Amino acid sequence: EAQVTQNPRYLITVTGKKLTVTCSQNMNHEYMSWYRQDPGLGLRQIYYSMNVEVTDKGDVPEGYKVSRKEKRNFPLILESPSPNQTSLYFCASSFRGTGELFFGEGSRLTVL
Amino acid sequence: GQQLNQSPQSMFIQEGEDVSMNCTSSSIFNTWLWYKQDPGEGPVLLIALYKAGELTSNGRLTAQFGITRKDSFLNISASIPSDVGIYFCAGSGMESNYQLIWGAGTKLIIKP
Repeated sequence: EAQVTQNPRYLITVTGKKLTVTCSQNMNHEYMSWYRQDPGLGLRQIYYSMNVEVTDKGDVPEGYKVSRKEKRNFPLILESPSPNQTSLYFCASSFRGTGELFFGEGSRLTVL
Repeated sequence: GQQLNQSPQSMFIQEGEDVSMNCTSSSIFNTWLWYKQDPGEGPVLLIALYKAGELTSNGRLTAQFGITRKDSFLNISASIPSDVGIYFCAGSGMESNYQLIWGAGTKLIIKP
């Protein structure tokens, strides 16, 4: 089954404790992206990757890092989480960035 | 970052009613997409539009790519309870560096 898998789905952590949200897709998609969703603000892009070893900033990259060492994986790293990073995070992928994105089920992160 | 103007923000409708929502942009787009997000899940692509004036249907859903290339419309006919959710428009073009720009969403609620 074609899917984008994110882990963890839910996480409560404390300020400053590094964490990684993993994302994996099984569709051989070249393009992958991370979004955060906050009430009233819709989906805002954090980082995206056009292919392996190619990443670029989206609209709200501050406080986040990403890497794309393999085609299928695109982890999101919060080096020193802060409460304003409490949000619902989505990973998405598509074939060559066509815009026809497949989304994961989301990871709800709370930073205390 | 740039965001599309999506309206209405929310709609209360009776089962069986037709629904209309739209998105406008200050930029010209080459692609318009409509997604639906069910509670607790990631957005799912409903309809993709690639040509100005294009009218595309997916079951009871019909979407149009505006001829000015700066707007798009989504209509749902004869709404049913499972239509409840948040509908997002998204567009991309040269002016967005071919990254998706998102609307803030239209929340559809069925009146009891």
